[in-house]
Amino acid sequence: KAGVTQTPRYLIKTRGQQVTLSCSPISGHRSVSWYQQTPGQGLQFLFEYFSETQRNKGNFPGRFSGRQFSNSRSEMNVSTLELGDSALYLCASSFKTGENYGYTFGSGTRLTVV
Amino acid sequence: LAKTTQPISMDSYEGQEVNITCSHNNIATNDYITWYQQFPSQGPRFIIQGYKTKVTNEVASLFIPADRKSSTLSLPRVSLSDTAVYYCLVGDQGKSGGYQKVTFGTGTKLQVIP
Repeated sequence: KAGVTQTPRYLIKTRGQQVTLSCSPISGHRSVSWYQQTPGQGLQFLFEYFSETQRNKGNFPGRFSGRQFSNSRSEMNVSTLELGDSALYLCASSFKTGENYGYTFGSGTRLTVV
Repeated sequence: LAKTTQPISMDSYEGQEVNITCSHNNIATNDYITWYQQFPSQGPRFIIQGYKTKVTNEVASLFIPADRKSSTLSLPRVSLSDTAVYYCLVGDQGKSGGYQKVTFGTGTKLQVIP
């Protein structure tokens, strides 16, 4: 089974620009979550999508948005980029094995804002 | 949301057992406790999950006391390849898959010494 695929792996953008990141979950996984990881703040929850609906949202400004398509693929968009948005953005799809629920993470998109 | 607290870092010699404790005082009734391992430039990887008492799999054990206000990840006989950051996650498991609400710990950086 293919894992969670995130594209692109690396991205450099200029302040004020916008960016779109893509995530393809494991086949059959309907829940996709996004996290921002920075050295100072650790892993911070952005939002979760399930069956094309945003089910949960973290404490991020409205510049951060996302969506999920009917095939469960998800995109995350950040508008008006700021230097502080430089981070590793991780996507995770959710699985259930027996009684266990858990995330399978992608390798992330490293975004650098200059 | 349950807040989690972990030690920032730990050192251990190869071959020793390592115990990493996570504190989650306001864990909710529906929350499960999950531990993840993360290597540099990769997404976190699921290690083990539990609700109460003790859970063991092929790589680790998870001890959860009756009050569930803390949990301890136990790694038997660590090797150099276990050097990584370990995260404790407390979250409400959605019955249809995915977490409803999650909190990642700050992570514990484990350094295994030869």
